[in-house]
Amino acid sequence: SQQGEEDPQALSIQEGENATMNCSYKTSINNLQWYRQNSGRGLVHLILIRSNEREKHSGRLRVTLDTSKKSSSLLITASRAADTASYFCAPRVNNFNKFYFGSGTKLNVKP
Amino acid sequence: EPEVTQTPSHQVTQMGQEVILRCVPISNHLYFYWYRQILGQKVEFLVSFYNNEISEKSEIFDDQFSVERPDGSNFTLKIRSTKLEDSAMYFCASSGQRSSTDTQYFGPGTRLTVL
Repeated sequence: SQQGEEDPQALSIQEGENATMNCSYKTSINNLQWYRQNSGRGLVHLILIRSNEREKHSGRLRVTLDTSKKSSSLLITASRAADTASYFCAPRVNNFNKFYFGSGTKLNVKP
Repeated sequence: EPEVTQTPSHQVTQMGQEVILRCVPISNHLYFYWYRQILGQKVEFLVSFYNNEISEKSEIFDDQFSVERPDGSNFTLKIRSTKLEDSAMYFCASSGQRSSTDTQYFGPGTRLTVL
């Protein structure tokens, strides 16, 4: 399967805490991207990490990639209620330009 | 920041009717996509489009579906004879010039309700 699978399925934390979400995939990739979806809305691109990168930061987001384990993690530091959303990883398989999305991690940040 | 736009935001139609969902991708992008999300389910790939032709399509994208780039700015998805199970959010996306592996930017979606 070319899709990413996120873990956990649901995560509930208090505002100010860190949230960590994991993604596993099965095939070789060119890059891996993380998206956020607020309920009933479109997907918002968060960050892209290339296969030759191990870690990337963007504001409160930190993404890691371990191609040997075919896994990635997304860390949101100092979470806010506005971070409440579903988060999806999208592995970009070499030579394929479509995404296969998993079921996502539903993050609930309680104020 | 440039964004993908979609119209209408909500479309209600009767079963068997034709619908056209419209998208304006980010200008200077060359790769265009449609995805759909049935309520409570995963986002599913439908079709990708490049250089005025379909480059890939999923098994969902059967003969009832078609896509078109009628001018330099719009990208449309047509469903010829809608079924109840076509009710879903439909998302358009586009990606940039460098390669097909660039970031895909998604529109806000069109909610299609088939009665």
